[in-house]
Amino acid sequence: RKEVEQDPGPFNVPEGATVAFNCTYSNSASQSFFWYRQDCRKEPKLLMSVYSSGNEDGRFTAQLNRASQYISLLIRDSKLSDSATYLCGSFSGTYKYIFGTGTRLKVLA
Amino acid sequence: SQTIHQWPATLVQPVGSPLSLECTVEGTSNPNLYWYRQAAGRGLQLLFYSVGIGQISSEVPQNLSASRPQDRQFILSSKKLLLSDSGFYLCAGLSRSGANVLTFGAGSRLTVL
Repeated sequence: RKEVEQDPGPFNVPEGATVAFNCTYSNSASQSFFWYRQDCRKEPKLLMSVYSSGNEDGRFTAQLNRASQYISLLIRDSKLSDSATYLCGSFSGTYKYIFGTGTRLKVLA
Repeated sequence: SQTIHQWPATLVQPVGSPLSLECTVEGTSNPNLYWYRQAAGRGLQLLFYSVGIGQISSEVPQNLSASRPQDRQFILSSKKLLLSDSGFYLCAGLSRSGANVLTFGAGSRLTVL
């Protein structure tokens, strides 16, 4: 079983829609979790960190459920510019930084 | 903030040839450094990571190796490339003073023919 798992998609949604991605992790020792965004043929860039209490940044909301070992990302009012691959990342105390396969999102006009 | 420099950006190599990808870090000291590979349409596979000079942890036993000869230098090598080594190689750094956020280089796209 992979340490971090995501549905690869693609998720095709119309502009203005709300879309949610989930990510599960198997290592209960994982300390920190993150969502990164990767545009086609580019390097990933941090979208947002994920806190246990949940956190919001504009149209984006991230949640962490340690009991069930999953992380979620909610995007409201999707824009064409949100089209990208969203990578779930996990950092452990042994300094390993692991990513899921990424979820592809395509927002359609 | 730290900046990751990575080169070459693109290379095409024949099967059996050697490889050397270089990564340097600017703007921070004693970072954790990482090498990832991303095959076409796939996720990031962690290859190696390093917490200090000469300290290398290997995640995937392959014909690749990594070295960290200086604090801000991380090198990925192979003596003989395989077709399956083709992919997008990304170097990333983790500042010890930061909030566990990775900064990535622009990547090196390798095609093995």
